[in-house]
Amino acid sequence: DAKTTQPTSMDCAEGRAANLPCNHSTISGNEYVYWYRQIHSQGPQYIIHGLKNNETNEMASLIITEDRKSSTLILPHATLRDTAVYYCIVRGNFGNEKLTFGTGTRLTIIP
Amino acid sequence: KAGVTQTPRYLIKTRGQQVTLSCSPISGHRSVSWYQQTPGQGLQFLFEYFSETQRNKGNFPGRFSGRQFSNSRSEMNVSTLELGDSALYLCASSLGGNRGTYEQYFGPGTRLTVT
Repeated sequence: DAKTTQPTSMDCAEGRAANLPCNHSTISGNEYVYWYRQIHSQGPQYIIHGLKNNETNEMASLIITEDRKSSTLILPHATLRDTAVYYCIVRGNFGNEKLTFGTGTRLTIIP
Repeated sequence: KAGVTQTPRYLIKTRGQQVTLSCSPISGHRSVSWYQQTPGQGLQFLFEYFSETQRNKGNFPGRFSGRQFSNSRSEMNVSTLELGDSALYLCASSLGGNRGTYEQYFGPGTRLTVT
């Protein structure tokens, strides 16, 4: 699985959009980009995933660059409950459920 | 639909003992993965079971083992516990299969403390 690089920490004001970047320059053509978050001492929560097109769901939007070497997770209107560690994960082939977690980005929402 | 459940939620064991943790996946999910989370090593993949067969395995010693039952429920066992096995053990389930990539849903974890 390709390696990902994320900033260690970020702050965002409540109500503003939180933009979390991720670099995955060695991603291969059949690998997906997944985002999970973990609120303190809870199990990680699935947010969104994509292959090459931008994706949006009720939680967030995922923007993947055309060369697929980086992506941005956007939380459109951050709330205090969005304070968590966010993990960007590149996942391998079909039938491989293994998630390789890095150190993630600790996002703090400021009131 | 009920989420992933893990039992017990908290456990205290002594060095040298063994422990069994249980995970019930979301109904209809056939893949169950196990992860260990520690402050020093972060989240690390232990193994994954699909249709009662271990399909993937991480880099953990043989003291860590698991199994999956025909109803997709899974157990993991750690024998001869060491202090370093103190961790949050997380279970995740997904539809699995070889025709797509499926999101995984995590349980709340079992907090194991070895004394």
